[in-house]
Amino acid sequence: DAKTTQPTSMDCAEGRAANLPCNHSTISGNEYVYWYRQIHSQGPQYIIHGLKNNETNEMASLIITEDRKSSTLILPHATLRDTAVYYCIVRSHLFYNQGGKLIFGQGTELSVKP
Amino acid sequence: GAVVSQHPSRVICKSGTSVKIECRSLDFQATTMFWYRQFPKQSLMLMATSNEGSKATYEQGVEKDKFLINHASLTLSTLTVTSAHPEDSSFYICSAPTGTNYGYTFGSGTRLTVV
Repeated sequence: DAKTTQPTSMDCAEGRAANLPCNHSTISGNEYVYWYRQIHSQGPQYIIHGLKNNETNEMASLIITEDRKSSTLILPHATLRDTAVYYCIVRSHLFYNQGGKLIFGQGTELSVKP
Repeated sequence: GAVVSQHPSRVICKSGTSVKIECRSLDFQATTMFWYRQFPKQSLMLMATSNEGSKATYEQGVEKDKFLINHASLTLSTLTVTSAHPEDSSFYICSAPTGTNYGYTFGSGTRLTVV
């Protein structure tokens, strides 16, 4: 699976958009970009995923650059409950590649402040 | 959506005893379960992969005799920490692929404290 690089931490004001970047310059053609988040002392939660087109759901938007070497997760109106560690993971859409493992990097610790 | 129920959420045990953690898939069949460990301020580290009806596969450096994994049915996987020591104190999380675009669903985690 391609490696990812994320900033260690970010702050965001409540009500403002949180833009979390992720670099994945070695991504290959069949690899998707997944975003998960982990609120303190809980299991990770799926947010969104994409291949090359921008994606939006009820939680967030995912913007992937045309060369697919980086992406940005956007929380349009951050709330205090969005304070969490956000993980960007790149892996094949074929589950059984690499034994189906989901490998986590260090993630970005997002602090939403009042 | 697919839910993995993990129990207990917290456990305190004495050094030298064993602790069992259960993960159940509630509304889907989990033929595979992944077990992670997370130390404070660190990321999730994959420990092992369990497959229903076969032996678990452990990541490098994880002691298989210490962390016993059983995946006896399509809805239940267990992790037993044997002869626990204080350095085994950690947050343990299970995860299963859901077979949908959501990819994976995670248990709520177990906070193990060995005293």
